[in-house]
Amino acid sequence: KQEVTQIPAALSVPEGENLVLNCSFTDSAIYNLQWFRQDPGKGLTSLLLIQSSQREQTSGRLNASLDKSSGRSTLYIAASQPGDSATYLCAVSPFSGGYNKLIFGAGTRLAVHP
Amino acid sequence: DGGITQSPKYLFRKEGQNVTLSCEQNLNHDAMYWYRQDPGQGLRLIYYSQIVNDFQKGDIAEGYSVSREKKESFPLTVTSAQKNPTAFYLCASSIAPVGTDTQYFGPGTRLTVL
Repeated sequence: KQEVTQIPAALSVPEGENLVLNCSFTDSAIYNLQWFRQDPGKGLTSLLLIQSSQREQTSGRLNASLDKSSGRSTLYIAASQPGDSATYLCAVSPFSGGYNKLIFGAGTRLAVHP
Repeated sequence: DGGITQSPKYLFRKEGQNVTLSCEQNLNHDAMYWYRQDPGQGLRLIYYSQIVNDFQKGDIAEGYSVSREKKESFPLTVTSAQKNPTAFYLCASSIAPVGTDTQYFGPGTRLTVL
């Protein structure tokens, strides 16, 4: 059974720091891995989607890597800003399921203080 | 504006009542999904629909029911059989029912049982 784990559960950093969020999954048979952002009491916004054949994706100050063989992904945020404060969720799309299934981690709650 | 709308934003239910959460999308997506989110946990799939007039149970379907009479609408009913319904409910949609496309999320409905 596919399980997704995110470490740390919470993180507080001063503005300007570069930081890394971690995601691990137990089964490497996946189509892709996605990183989402969730603001308090709101829905999810997709940040980056990495297909299983890719190693990384970049968008602005965000860079996500995928190491399928070891079951790990990292989300790197450069020069963090208070506006980056949110919960970051990773999700994998497993081969099994027969539909566009996503399995989510519990998220990392990030606070960037001025 | 294209997107997914959910209503109401907040919903209060008395013990023994059924309540229905609305989800509408104007993205012309075939597939739609309902998730439940509890504090400190990832999203868990309740029901999904790959096409109009068809839907399937997800991982935690007990105590919930859905319908898909129109492509753009996928309402969720939380019945009195759901023992612990207090949670944040998220609706999502994707272009294709099977594959690797990202899912687009609505803003969510917070349900509280009084």
